Amino acid sequence: DSGVTQTPKHLITATGQRVTLRCSPRSGDLSVYWYQQSLDQGLQFLIQYYNGEERAKGNILERFSAQQFPDLHSELNLSSLELGDSALYFCASAEGGGLTGELFFGEGSRLTVL
Amino acid sequence: SQKIEQNSEALNIQEGKTATLTCNYTNYSPAYLQWYRQDPGRGPVFLLLIRENEKEKRKERLKVTFDTTLKQSLFHITASQPADSATYLCALLYNSGNTPLVFGKGTRLSVIA
Repeated sequence: DSGVTQTPKHLITATGQRVTLRCSPRSGDLSVYWYQQSLDQGLQFLIQYYNGEERAKGNILERFSAQQFPDLHSELNLSSLELGDSALYFCASAEGGGLTGELFFGEGSRLTVL
Repeated sequence: SQKIEQNSEALNIQEGKTATLTCNYTNYSPAYLQWYRQDPGRGPVFLLLIRENEKEKRKERLKVTFDTTLKQSLFHITASQPADSATYLCALLYNSGNTPLVFGKGTRLSVIA
C-alpha cells in the first residue's frame, strides 16, 4: 500500500460527459502528480501541484483541468469526454516540490468512455 | 524532445536466470534515472534510483547500471523468480527546472518456471 488513495477505481461514462477523479496523497507529501496511461502511449505526465499551486504542466488537454485543495487532496476534471480519453489515470505523490526521490503511485482510476 | 526507449516490449526468461532490461535515451543525460515495477491494473512501484554520477546501484537481487556515454541504463534481476513477472518502467528526471519524471513504455518480463 503506497498510501496514495484514488477514487473511483472504475468509471464508465458516455462521450461528451464530464467526470472528476480524486486523489489523496500520502500523509506529509506536498506534491501531487497526475499521469495518464493508455496501451499505446505509456505513462504520460499531465500536471503537477505543489502545496496548492500548479508547478509543472505536461501534455494536458484544455478539456482537462486539475486543482489541489488546502488539505492537499487533488482532483482531475475531464470534460467533453471522447473515446480516446479512455485510459488509466494515476495520481502520484512526493514529499517535496522538486523531485529527487521516488514517486508513490495510487492504484489508478480506470476511465472507460463509450 | 527527449526520447526514452526500452528496447523490447516483452522478455521471456527461465526461472533462475538473470533478466537484463535496457533503457536508452536520446539527447542530454538526466540527473536521475529510476526503475519502477508495474503489475497489471496496478500503480507503478519504485524499485531503484541511480544518479548521473553513479555507475551502479544494487538492492538485493536487483542491479542498475548507468552509462552516460552510451546513454543507457541496464536493469538486472538475478536468480529470477515467477513472482518477478511484471512490467518494468524506466523513468528519467532532468535538472531543467520543474520537469517531471518522464517514463518509458516499459518492458513486460515473464519468468517461466
